[in-house]
Parts: sequence; structure tokens; C-alpha cells
Amino acid sequence: EIELTQSPGTLSLSPGERATLSCRASQSVNGYHLAWYQHQPGQAPRLLIYAASTRAAGIPDRFSGSESGTDFTLTISRLEPEDFAVYYCQYYGGSWPFGQGTKVEIK
Amino acid sequence: EVQLVQSRAEVKKPGESLKISCQGSGHSLTNKWVGWVRQMPGKGLEWMGIVYPGNSDTRYSPSFQGQVTISADKSTTTAYLQWSSLKASDTAMYYCARTQTNSFDAFDIWGQGTMVTVSS
Repeated sequence: EIELTQSPGTLSLSPGERATLSCRASQSVNGYHLAWYQHQPGQAPRLLIYAASTRAAGIPDRFSGSESGTDFTLTISRLEPEDFAVYYCQYYGGSWPFGQGTKVEIK
Repeated sequence: EVQLVQSRAEVKKPGESLKISCQGSGHSLTNKWVGWVRQMPGKGLEWMGIVYPGNSDTRYSPSFQGQVTISADKSTTTAYLQWSSLKASDTAMYYCARTQTNSFDAFDIWGQGTMVTVSS
């Protein structure tokens, strides 16, 4: 069973700053099967990135994803007020586990 | 508009059974996988399991195998999550979500969530 470990647990930043979120898989995975979601309180999660680096429909280009071996990164180039939320990575290669989440909070 | 519509919030007692639902609106779920995700109060997202309504192929997270039953009705394009005997620890928000394609894929459409409260 693949496990995903996200870091840091919490990221305290100001609007306009760059956010870098990490997700590490417990074993080698097909990067084509890695997604990132944004979850705002009281709302359903929203798909941001799939196949490690492809933005979902309607997602602004300040969101980008990348991979390096078993390490995956979500970057938000310039934080907007609506970007403060919890972010999850997910593997979807036959099981669909999530990482434990990274909270991006206003500093 | 493509949506997943989940059944209403439930308040149950420990030991009771429950079945919640997730129906596609504006699209068919027959050729997509439909997953269930739990969020306990103040905690993160947990994948519980997934079903392919077209042929009822079902897979479970090891953490939830034997604890819940996931099923689907192809004729009504509805997916279900059920418990035979609820525990207080089942109190959580439950989301359904469908995959983008008919293969192993990310969840592009999510239901609004069903809050389940189990309390004596």
C-alpha cells in the first residue's frame, strides 16, 4: 500500500508570497497517477492538478505541479486571499490514498 | 451542469445501520469510478473505497475493508456507502467523487458531502 507524506504540516505565508508544498511517496510511483486538491472549510475538495503537472479545467496558472522521483511538489507562485486552504496530494493507481494535508495559513 | 448529489445529513445511534447515496446529475456514472472519502472532525481526507457502477467492481482501502460496504445501482447511476452497525467513531463528513475517465484517474467532480453523526 502506497503512503504519501506531505510537508510541511502548516505553511504560514502572506498574500503575494510563493508557496511550495511537498508530497513524498513511500515507493516508486507512476507520476501520471498523482493529483493535488484544494480543500476550503465547508466546501467539497477541488481538483487542482492531475498527472503530477497538468492543471485541471479552470485552475489558474499560478498553480503548478512537478515531480522528481518519488517527490512531488505543488507550487503556488503568488498567493491570493482565496488560496489559503488545506492541500492534499493523492495517488490514483488502483488505490486512491491521500497525504495527510498541508494547511496554508495567513501569516 | 454535471453534479454529484448526496443524500441528506443523518443522526443515528450506535449500533444502527445506515446507507447513504450519491447520484449523478447531468451525467451518467456508469462509465466512471465513484469513490468515497471520509473527513472526521478536524482531520484530513481519507480514501475509503471505490466502485465502478458499470460492472460493480469494488475496491477498499485496507483501513475500511470489512467496516463498510460500497455498492452501486447501474440503472439509477447511484453509488452507496453503508454500515451495518454504526459506532461513535463513524461520525464524520462523507464525500463521494467520480473519476475523470473510466480508468484509474483523479476525482474531478465531488458531491456536496453527507454529515453523519452517531451519538447515543
